[in-house]
Amino acid sequence: EAQVTQNPRYLITVTGKKLTVTCSQNMNHEYMSWYRQDPGLGLRQIYYSMNVEVTDKGDVPEGYKVSRKEKRNFPLILESPSPNQTSLYFCASRGGIRHEQFFGPGTRLTVL
Amino acid sequence: DAKTTQPNSMESNEEEPVHLPCNHSTISGTDYIHWYRQLPSQGPEYVIHGLTSNVNNRMASLAIAEDRKSSTLILHRATLRDAAVYYCILSISYSGAGSYQLTFGKGTKLSVIP
Repeated sequence: EAQVTQNPRYLITVTGKKLTVTCSQNMNHEYMSWYRQDPGLGLRQIYYSMNVEVTDKGDVPEGYKVSRKEKRNFPLILESPSPNQTSLYFCASRGGIRHEQFFGPGTRLTVL
Repeated sequence: DAKTTQPNSMESNEEEPVHLPCNHSTISGTDYIHWYRQLPSQGPEYVIHGLTSNVNNRMASLAIAEDRKSSTLILHRATLRDAAVYYCILSISYSGAGSYQLTFGKGTKLSVIP
């Protein structure tokens, strides 16, 4: 089944404790991206990647890092999480020139 | 970036057609019109997209105004499972895997009444 998976689905952590949210897709898609969703603010793009070793900032990249060492994986790294990064995070992927973007199920992160 | 305007919420009776409007008066000639929806507790889901001509797929139809300043997503027969937030989004045209991005607005929350 074609899908985007994220782990963990839920995470509660404390300020300053480094964490990684993994994202993997099995569709051989070139394009991957991360979004965060907050009440009243909608979905905002954090980072995106056009292909392996090619990443770029989205609209709200501060406090986040990403890497794209393999085509299928696009982890989101929070080196020193803060409470304002409490949010619902979605990973997405898209193949080549196709328009349809596939989203993962989301990761709900709480930073205390 | 070109912006879209959608009503905050709409209601529909089950098994009736639903027309979800979207205004995009600043659309450029290369902007595609995308629709996604987000069901409760799920990630967004692609619905349909178009450039100039009306489009149909198994989920919905997209009617695009001749001047492209507005579009309408049509659900032909609403079911309870169609209750979701529907996002109308513009994206620039791309070549290959170019700088294509989706900027989500607040969308329209569709409620379906049994």
